[in-house]
Amino acid sequence: AQTVTQSQPEMSVQEAETVTLSCTYDTSESDYYLFWYKQPPSRQMILVIRQEAYKQQNATENRFSVNFQKAAKSFSLKISDSQLGDAAMYFCAYRTSGTYKYIFGTGTRLKVLA
Amino acid sequence: DAGVIQSPRHEVTEMGQEVTLRCKPISGHDYLFWYRQTMMRGLELLIYFNNNVPIDDSGMPEDRFSAKMPNASFSTLKIQPSEPRDSAVYFCASSLWYRAQETQYFGPGTRLLVL
Repeated sequence: AQTVTQSQPEMSVQEAETVTLSCTYDTSESDYYLFWYKQPPSRQMILVIRQEAYKQQNATENRFSVNFQKAAKSFSLKISDSQLGDAAMYFCAYRTSGTYKYIFGTGTRLKVLA
Repeated sequence: DAGVIQSPRHEVTEMGQEVTLRCKPISGHDYLFWYRQTMMRGLELLIYFNNNVPIDDSGMPEDRFSAKMPNASFSTLKIQPSEPRDSAVYFCASSLWYRAQETQYFGPGTRLLVL
């Protein structure tokens, strides 16, 4: 069975600085998708970034980028120039290609310090 | 688009009562998901539908839980009878499968408290 592990329950970053959130996963599949979701206090889940496993190039969305290491089964999220609005819970998620069964990690709470 | 709509936003009920949570997916989306979020277990997929048909319900905790999708614009998650351990935030999400940038769009969630 696939699993997603986020080993950092909480992280803090100074405003305008860079922070990296860790995620590892376990799967025997070769074709899959990885995601980072943000959950602010409003509880709404918002997609931050996605990565297809067959793509070697790391995904980037403005200040958000990932470091995808397929062999190591690692998928970390880097937030550059952190802003107060980035404070939220961040969830790493996995989905095997061909299914829509998403598996989420336990989340990392990010605090942004002014 | 209004996004995924869930109702009610908050529900407080007593143990043994029936609870019905409702979801309206984004128009045109053909996948619908129900999730449960708790502090202990995180975010768990309960069931998902494709074109109104249940595809995988292996996450449904027990027979007290049931979900239906009578049409493309409406789904319900029912708990009967409810128990205090069912207290959680329940999310509905929808997505469109063929888009290269397929992603789930989540609703605001329903916070359920069973006393």
